[in-house]
Amino acid sequence: DARVTQTPRHKVTEMGQEVTMRCQPILGHNTVFWYRQTMMQGLELLAYFRNRAPLDDSGMPKDRFSAEMPDATLATLKIQPSEPRDSAVYFCASGSQGASNIQYFGAGTRLSVL
Amino acid sequence: TQLLEQSPQFLSIQEGENLTVYCNSSSVFSSLQWYRQEPGEGPVLLVTVVTGGEVKKLKRLTFQFGDARKDSSLHITAAQPGDTGLYLCAGPFVGSSNTGKLIFGQGTTLQVKP
Repeated sequence: DARVTQTPRHKVTEMGQEVTMRCQPILGHNTVFWYRQTMMQGLELLAYFRNRAPLDDSGMPKDRFSAEMPDATLATLKIQPSEPRDSAVYFCASGSQGASNIQYFGAGTRLSVL
Repeated sequence: TQLLEQSPQFLSIQEGENLTVYCNSSSVFSSLQWYRQEPGEGPVLLVTVVTGGEVKKLKRLTFQFGDARKDSSLHITAAQPGDTGLYLCAGPFVGSSNTGKLIFGQGTTLQVKP
């Protein structure tokens, strides 16, 4: 049963600490997306990759957020330093280019910054 | 700017009732998708509609794509508590039909009470 795996599922940290969220896309998928979901803003696209290359990270605060794909099986989203306003659920999704734009989501990382 | 507006934002009904959720835009979309997100999980694709006027059925759920491909609706017949969740419509960004990048509506939160 292929699925997108995100770790950790929950993270509580203090303001100023570094946070790293990890995502294992579905094997064979070549596009990876990072979203942030809050009650106020809904689902916001932060960044996405195709074939491990970053295509668009315009939705991401550049001063504190960074996204990378060290290899085809791992995508990371880092926040340094974290702030209380970063508290949200972060989702990773993967898909195949040209496959009707279908995205498969992980279960998310719920981040709380105190 | 492409926008997808969903209505209503919140809906609380009794088991057995019927309901309709709407997804509207001033932009034309090549296709629209509907996702359902259950608490603590990521969105899961329900259906993709691609042809203007298309109607698709998934058990008690009926999806329709507007003739002009600017809007879509989701109708649930005889709602059950298992239908509870956040319903999201999504469509590809103009010019990104080949990248998989999607724009999401704000979502409709549905609660079906037993």
